[in-house]
Amino acid sequence: DAKTTQPPSMDCAEGRAANLPCNHSTISGNEYVYWYRQIHSQGPQYIIHGLKNNETNEMASLIITEDRKSSTLILPHATLRDTAVYYCIVRLPYGQNFVFGPGTRLSVLP
Amino acid sequence: SAVISQKPSRDICQRGTSLTIQCQVDSQVTMMFWYRQQPGQSLTLIATANQGSEATYESGFVIDKFPISRPNLTFSTLTVSNMSPEDSSIYLCSAQPGGNYGYTFGSGTRLTVV
Repeated sequence: DAKTTQPPSMDCAEGRAANLPCNHSTISGNEYVYWYRQIHSQGPQYIIHGLKNNETNEMASLIITEDRKSSTLILPHATLRDTAVYYCIVRLPYGQNFVFGPGTRLSVLP
Repeated sequence: SAVISQKPSRDICQRGTSLTIQCQVDSQVTMMFWYRQQPGQSLTLIATANQGSEATYESGFVIDKFPISRPNLTFSTLTVSNMSPEDSSIYLCSAQPGGNYGYTFGSGTRLTVV
């Protein structure tokens, strides 16, 4: 079973920041938080991952709470092409498969 | 990150036949994974394929139905055998190229069984 809880859907206006929450209250000390997204009819795309520090790359920022029981993926300036299902996954590094929950369906609206 | 080529991208097959899906990675990887995504659903892991050993199947998936080959560190195949309409899904392969990075996924094979 997936170890995360995400809202089933969210809307965001184009050009605004999209903040996608994820709860992972049972995360263990050495499990990472990964985010993927799946645009319609494509394979999942890796976005970002982190352990306990906030992370930023060219796609997004990941904010992890101090107790690590929740996190937020931030798309700073959402575009229509960011419309996708976003998956939050917790996992040990190296070798363990990814368990996908239902994710959050983000709709970016013009 | 690694690039994964998966083919065919889609196929329409008759029930009772079999389809073999190929997955090629542009770098050597220890483990490859095969997922199924049924219409409107999330991804479900079918099996993990290590080079040189038999694949490890998840609950609900059996080797007779989904035989997997892993002849080397860059290639794997998944066969969907004796297909029925319930096998209509997207099948995806994935691999971790190295380090603690996210897995890369192929673009998927959209299978329709009629």
